[in-house]
Amino acid sequence: EVQLVESGGGLVQPGGSLTLSCAASGFTFTSYWMSWVRQAPGKGLEWVANIRQDGGEKYYVDSVRGRFTISRDNAKNSLYLQMDSLRAEDTAIYYCAKMPDFDYWGQGALVTVSS
Amino acid sequence: QAGLTQPPSVSKGLRQTATLTCTGNSNNVGQQGAAWLQQHQGHPPKLLLYKNNNRPSGISERLSASRSGNTASLTITGLQPEDEADYYCSTWDSSLSAWVFGGGTKLTVL
Repeated sequence: EVQLVESGGGLVQPGGSLTLSCAASGFTFTSYWMSWVRQAPGKGLEWVANIRQDGGEKYYVDSVRGRFTISRDNAKNSLYLQMDSLRAEDTAIYYCAKMPDFDYWGQGALVTVSS
Repeated sequence: QAGLTQPPSVSKGLRQTATLTCTGNSNNVGQQGAAWLQQHQGHPPKLLLYKNNNRPSGISERLSASRSGNTASLTITGLQPEDEADYYCSTWDSSLSAWVFGGGTKLTVL
């Protein structure tokens, strides 16, 4: 059974940093691209970033490029999202998702950016 | 980054057929087609159809997808109460080098 479990969410002040983790199991992690997708309260889905199987190719939505960094540790079957210079508009539930078609999702981690 | 365009809401009666649309351009829907996801309140999204009309195991055959030009469509026949949810389309945009989502359609089953 495929499982994706996010952790690391919480309350952070504007300008602060936070790192999200996603533990993957039930599939061959090294064979798939992975993505982070977020959903602001009461809003729709927004793709944030994705990363190739070997970590050698990464893409970001414009609004986070230069502030967020996606990475993975294939030895630990884990995906990460390092978030720096956080803003109020980054407040959202952050989901990790298995690619290529978002076929599996975690339960999400809530990130709240507020003073 | 420009997303895909979906109608905010659609309402249909029980056992009727609903067709939800998703409009993009030649760099996304027109080129790649679209995947469709369903999200019930308080839950993560769930993939319904991918690569236009491929169905993951366990997804009802009442759901089907199609594409005409830059517009993708999701059709749900024999609407049931459990079909009431938010529906999102998504695809890769080759000009943006980014995944894009539609704004979502809230389907109400009357």
